[in-house]
Amino acid sequence: DTGVSQDPRHKITKRGQNVTFRCDPISEHNRLYWYRQTLGQGPEFLTYFQNEAQLEKSRLLSDRFSAERPKGSFSTLEIQRTEQGDSAMYLCASSLGPTEGPQHFGDGTRLSIL
Amino acid sequence: QKEVEQDPGPLSVPEGAIVSLNCTYSNSAFQYFMWYRQYSRKGPELLMYTYSSGNKEDGRFTAQVDKSSKYISLFIRDSQPSDSATYLCAMSAQSNTGKLIFGQGTTLQVKP
Repeated sequence: DTGVSQDPRHKITKRGQNVTFRCDPISEHNRLYWYRQTLGQGPEFLTYFQNEAQLEKSRLLSDRFSAERPKGSFSTLEIQRTEQGDSAMYLCASSLGPTEGPQHFGDGTRLSIL
Repeated sequence: QKEVEQDPGPLSVPEGAIVSLNCTYSNSAFQYFMWYRQYSRKGPELLMYTYSSGNKEDGRFTAQVDKSSKYISLFIRDSQPSDSATYLCAMSAQSNTGKLIFGQGTTLQVKP
């Protein structure tokens, strides 16, 4: 049983560097979501895809953030010119189509900015 | 004011106790309600998924939704030390196609 897979699990980088995270959803899941979670808080929605189409973006997703899902399978989330405030857990979730089933989450990528 | 309010705790109970976890919300458009469990340094794990008002039971877990009061609950019977985790409520105004709005999470500790 392969769930949602995220890579890397932990990323440490210096302020100003670019980072990229990868998410592999559960196979046959059409919807893919990105959330951000800071310590002591619940996850906050960033963006989601239906197949390869990015359908909604949160205002939390500044111009330094970009997400792609080029072939409707895996997705990448890139943060350019990282800032201290970007330190968080970045979670990916996937679900079946519009009316079937809830979102299932991966174990996230923890980003630490030095 | 947040759309979803959840007491962060911590909540500490003895093993075998019945645990009650709650969330309130302000958006009457929410229709889908979920409870997730999250262990330290892991992703949220789905526990319960309900639509509209009513009760749903799964093993030791019971989820209740009262849309008239904008209040949802999760009950854990015969709590175990392995239940010690953070419990997150989440809800959506559309079917699961849309974004989830989460509560802050309640930290639960079950003492042997």
